[in-house]
Amino acid sequence: GENVGLHLPTLSVQEGDNSIINCAYSNSASDYFIWYKQESGKGPQFIIDIRSNMDKRQGQRVTVLLNKTVKHLSLQIAATQPGDSAVYFCAENLQPNDYKLSFGAGTTVTVRA
Amino acid sequence: EAGVAQSPRYKIIEKRQSVAFWCNPISGHATLYWYQQILGQGPKLLIQFQNNGVVDDSQLPKDRFSAERLKGVDSTLKIQPAKLEDSAVYLCASSLDARVPTDTQYFGPGTRLTVL
Repeated sequence: GENVGLHLPTLSVQEGDNSIINCAYSNSASDYFIWYKQESGKGPQFIIDIRSNMDKRQGQRVTVLLNKTVKHLSLQIAATQPGDSAVYFCAENLQPNDYKLSFGAGTTVTVRA
Repeated sequence: EAGVAQSPRYKIIEKRQSVAFWCNPISGHATLYWYQQILGQGPKLLIQFQNNGVVDDSQLPKDRFSAERLKGVDSTLKIQPAKLEDSAVYLCASSLDARVPTDTQYFGPGTRLTVL
């Protein structure tokens, strides 16, 4: 977890708005990044991943952006719903082509009705 | 498809006691991981297995923690003796094969351990 950090530990979002969760990393050698969602009492759930040869990747209601110049990763959630309330973790691999992950501390997202 | 199964879900013990956790990975997954997640932090890797062999146990406190995956399927993680600072959620994850690019890890629900 020392290589991956988050700008804000908590984020409060109005239902229907878009959410942006930020993550900074320090290991220039990392070439694989992943976002997980963890709801209370559950294990982390895979959301989306991106390799370092890409800048952007889209999934269902989610987009991950990677800026290698400033070592920044973000997760955008469109039309945030109450079910999106959870802790979101970014993770990076420790070495190129190695899929052991280092996790950040997480951002707690709370969706207001 | 069934997910990663873990048991027990909760365990309360006193310090210096022993405890064991069990994990059943997704069927066909060759790679299995154990993580420790302390409250308010992200998961920290303890050990990684590829089939029944240990790939990485550099973060495992081997004086008190041990893990095995004898038949390359189920795994157990043991703590003996437990310390107060071992209170955490112990997560098991599995993936198809960590040697394949962009291999995705799938997590179980975890075992919440409280050491009194």
